[in-house]
Amino acid sequence: NAGVMQNPRHLVRRRGQEARLRCSPMKGHSHVYWYRQLPEEGLKFMVYLQKENIIDESGMPKERFSAEFPKEGPSILRIQQVVRGDSAAYFCASSPGADSPLHFGNGTRLTVT
Amino acid sequence: GENVEQHPSTLSVQEGDSAVIKCTYSDSASNYFPWYKQELGKRPQLIIDIRSNVGEKKDQRIAVTLNKTAKHFSLHITETQPEDSAVYFCAASGAEGYSTLTFGKGTMLLVSP
Repeated sequence: NAGVMQNPRHLVRRRGQEARLRCSPMKGHSHVYWYRQLPEEGLKFMVYLQKENIIDESGMPKERFSAEFPKEGPSILRIQQVVRGDSAAYFCASSPGADSPLHFGNGTRLTVT
Repeated sequence: GENVEQHPSTLSVQEGDSAVIKCTYSDSASNYFPWYKQELGKRPQLIIDIRSNVGEKKDQRIAVTLNKTAKHFSLHITETQPEDSAVYFCAASGAEGYSTLTFGKGTMLLVSP
């Protein structure tokens, strides 16, 4: 089992560009979660998705951020018109069900210059 | 929403000593409390978890205790080893289930040989 796969591991974007972060859940997992981690901070919940559905997006900023988990392919976290404050590590986690423990990927470290 | 406080923020111990990390939570409906270990630059890894229907759970050198009345839970590591050095995060689930895990800010544990 390859675990939760995230790519890229590192992403550098200039202010105003778009960032696309990808997450492939563990085999057999249909629930995907995105968390953001700032330096010396805990993990902040952003969004919870199942295939083709957003279940809970209460942690997503209202503008510029969107997420999807299509029927085929990885989950995508998209940040439009990035600003320096978006620089953080973005972790994806997956689980086989809503009542199961989360397994995290290695994260994508986004740097906005 | 849920609020999780974690103490201490840093903890230094000698190899062989015990380490205790404490967390409090605010939402009395929370029912799942995992602990994650994160080494520098790596993904958070689940090390132990406890559900609200038990007061204590142990796995070799690691134990977690839960006091639902006081709304606090603790991680205990005995016979610490240098490889235990990492950042440890506690988390609590919201009433909606695991999808809304709220994390503490983390404890950096340093075990000196």
